[in-house]
Amino acid sequence: DAKTTQPNSMESNEEEPVHLPCNHSTISGTDYIHWYRQLPSQGPEYVIHGLTSNVNNRMASLAIAEDRKSSTLILHRATLRDAAVYYCILRAMNTGGFKTIFGAGTRLFVKA
Amino acid sequence: GAVVSQHPSRVICKSGTSVKIECRSLDFQATTMFWYRQFPKQSLMLMATSNEGSKATYEQGVEKDKFLINHASLTLSTLTVTSAHPEDSSFYICSASQGYGTEAFFGQGTRLTVV
Repeated sequence: DAKTTQPNSMESNEEEPVHLPCNHSTISGTDYIHWYRQLPSQGPEYVIHGLTSNVNNRMASLAIAEDRKSSTLILHRATLRDAAVYYCILRAMNTGGFKTIFGAGTRLFVKA
Repeated sequence: GAVVSQHPSRVICKSGTSVKIECRSLDFQATTMFWYRQFPKQSLMLMATSNEGSKATYEQGVEKDKFLINHASLTLSTLTVTSAHPEDSSFYICSASQGYGTEAFFGQGTRLTVV
C-alpha cells in the first residue's frame, strides 16, 4: 500500500493561513489523494480530495504537485475549531476493490 | 455533507459476550463500507472492507471469526465483536463510500469497553 509522510505536528496562529504538507512519493497513477481531519473522540471528517488538479471547496484548498509526489492542504484562515489531527491518505485500487488506509497524521495546534 | 450514523456510541459489555455495532448511510447508497479501530493517541487501523452483498475482506492480522461483518444492504453494515475480551476494548469507527473516486464519510464511532 502506498504510504504518506506528514509532520507529526504543526502550529498556527488564529486567522492566519496554514499549509499542511504531505509526501507520497510512491503514489501510482490512479491513486486519489484524500484529506480528513479528526477531533478527539469523534470519527474523521472529510476535508477534500483530488487526483491531479488542484481543488478548492468551502473548507480548504488542495494543491497537488505536478509529479503528484506531494500535496499541500491549505486552510485559508485558521480558527480554533480547526485544531485537529489532519490525515493525508492515498486511496488506492486493489484486487477486489479499494482501500482507505490512514497514516499517523499531523496534529494542528491553533493559537488564539 | 452526507451522513453516516453509527450506533451505539458507547457500549459496556461483559467478557465473553458479543456486541453488535451498526453503521448506516442515511442519505446515500454506500457500495463500500470500511471498519476501523483506534487506540488512544493512535491513528485509525483498517480492519476490513465490505461491499454490499459480498463477503468482507479482512486486513492481515484481523480475525474474521471474531469480528463478523455483514453488509446486507447499500445502507447498512454491521460489525459484531464475538466473545469479547478486555483487549477488544477500543474505539470502532465505520466509514461509507459511494465509489472509488468519491469521498468517504465516517460514523461518530463506538467506544467499546469490555469488563
